[in-house]
Amino acid sequence: RKEVEQDPGPFNVPEGATVAFNCTYSNSASQSFFWYRQDCRKEPKLLMSVYSSGNEDGRFTAQLNRASQYISLLIRDSKLSDSATYLCVVHGKTGANNLFFGTGTRLTVIP
Amino acid sequence: EAQVTQNPRYLITVTGKKLTVTCSQNMNHEYMSWYRQDPGLGLRQIYYSMNVEVTDKGDVPEGYKVSRKEKRNFPLILESPSPNQTSLYFCASSQIGLEGSQFFGPGTRLTVL
Repeated sequence: RKEVEQDPGPFNVPEGATVAFNCTYSNSASQSFFWYRQDCRKEPKLLMSVYSSGNEDGRFTAQLNRASQYISLLIRDSKLSDSATYLCVVHGKTGANNLFFGTGTRLTVIP
Repeated sequence: EAQVTQNPRYLITVTGKKLTVTCSQNMNHEYMSWYRQDPGLGLRQIYYSMNVEVTDKGDVPEGYKVSRKEKRNFPLILESPSPNQTSLYFCASSQIGLEGSQFFGPGTRLTVL
C-alpha cells in the first residue's frame, strides 16, 4: 500500500468554482502534513502546511482528519492561475525524516 | 536571492557511464534531499542528509550515491547508470525541524540510453 494516495484527476473546473482535493495516508504515526503546488515542468513549491485545527490562506483551506487519516485542500473562487498539479505530502514515520509525496492531483481552471 | 541550483539541467548519457548531478543551496540549510519524479509514481526520495557527513537512504536509494562534504553542496552520483534511471531529478533543502517546508531546485532531466 502506498504511503500517500491521491485522486490523480484531472479536475476541470470553470473560473470561480470551488474545488476540493482529498488525500489519504497509511501511517497513523505520521508527524506533519503539507500541500505543494507543481506547475508543468517546474519544481514543486510549498503551498501550505496542514494543521490539526485546519488552516486558511486566502482562498485556500486545508484540513486534517487524523482519525480517518486524510487531508483535504479546498480552493474557493478558482482562478486560471490555480491550474497546476497539487501534491499531498506527509512527513514520515516517527524517528525517521522521510517525506512521502502523493502522485498529485491535476487541476485545470477553464475560462 | 535564496535558491537551490542544480547542474546540469538536461543530460543524455549511455548505460554505464558514471555521472554526477550537482546541487547547491545558499540558504545555510542543514537538511538536503534528492528525489526522482516519474509519471504515475510521483516524487520518491532517493537520499537525504541532515548535516555535513550525515546521509541516509530514502525510499529508492539503489543505484545512487551521495556525499555531503560541505553544508551547501549535495551531489548525486550514478556510478553505472541504467535506462531505468531515466527520470526527472529534484534536489531540495530546508532547515532542520522544517523538513516539510522544502525549497526545490529547478530539476535535472536525465535520459540514459
